Amino acid sequence: EAGVAQSPRYKIIEKRQSVAFWCNPISGHATLYWYQQILGQGPKLLIQFQNNGVVDDSQLPKDRFSAERLKGVDSTLKIQPAKLEDSAVYLCASSFMGQGNIQYFGAGTRLSVL
Amino acid sequence: AQTVTQSQPEMSVQEAETVTLSCTYDTSESDYYLFWYKQPPSRQMILVIRQEAYKQQNATENRFSVNFQKAAKSFSLKISDSQLGDAAMYFCVVNQGGKLIFGQGTELSVKP
Repeated sequence: EAGVAQSPRYKIIEKRQSVAFWCNPISGHATLYWYQQILGQGPKLLIQFQNNGVVDDSQLPKDRFSAERLKGVDSTLKIQPAKLEDSAVYLCASSFMGQGNIQYFGAGTRLSVL
Repeated sequence: AQTVTQSQPEMSVQEAETVTLSCTYDTSESDYYLFWYKQPPSRQMILVIRQEAYKQQNATENRFSVNFQKAAKSFSLKISDSQLGDAAMYFCVVNQGGKLIFGQGTELSVKP
């Protein structure tokens, strides 16, 4: 079974530029999550999708971050414009209802904002 | 608000020895799940073990076991016969209603 796919693995941009991350969840997983993990900390949930609807985006900085999940499968997270404090690893996870909410994670994208 | 506290930022263990990672949490709910996730340098977050709060029996997965004390809100992870591949950051996680709350992590190093 293929895992959660994310791209790119690394991204370096200058502040005020825009960037986008892509995630393909495990086939059949209705729920998709985006997390931000700042160096030395645990991941923090940014947004949760159920199919293509948003369940929780209370921690998403909506003035600069946006996310979409077209057709309830792939998802894209965008930052525009980026700030220095956005430097972090962005993790995508997916889960299948009924498995005790076990979330399966991708390898993440490391973003450096200079 | 839920919080998860891992009081040991770093731990070290000799290969083949046993180590215990500590975790306490705070939740007002009676039904929830607890997890330990492992994150090696590759950044891939990997599920180590899962505990359902309504089950009194402690979960076990091969060399990994937990000591779950619901009243004390304590959830420690024991790794037996430690291997070099166990070296990673370990996160204690509370899952309530599909939302994961992570602790700050414990960096485990394994000495050959």
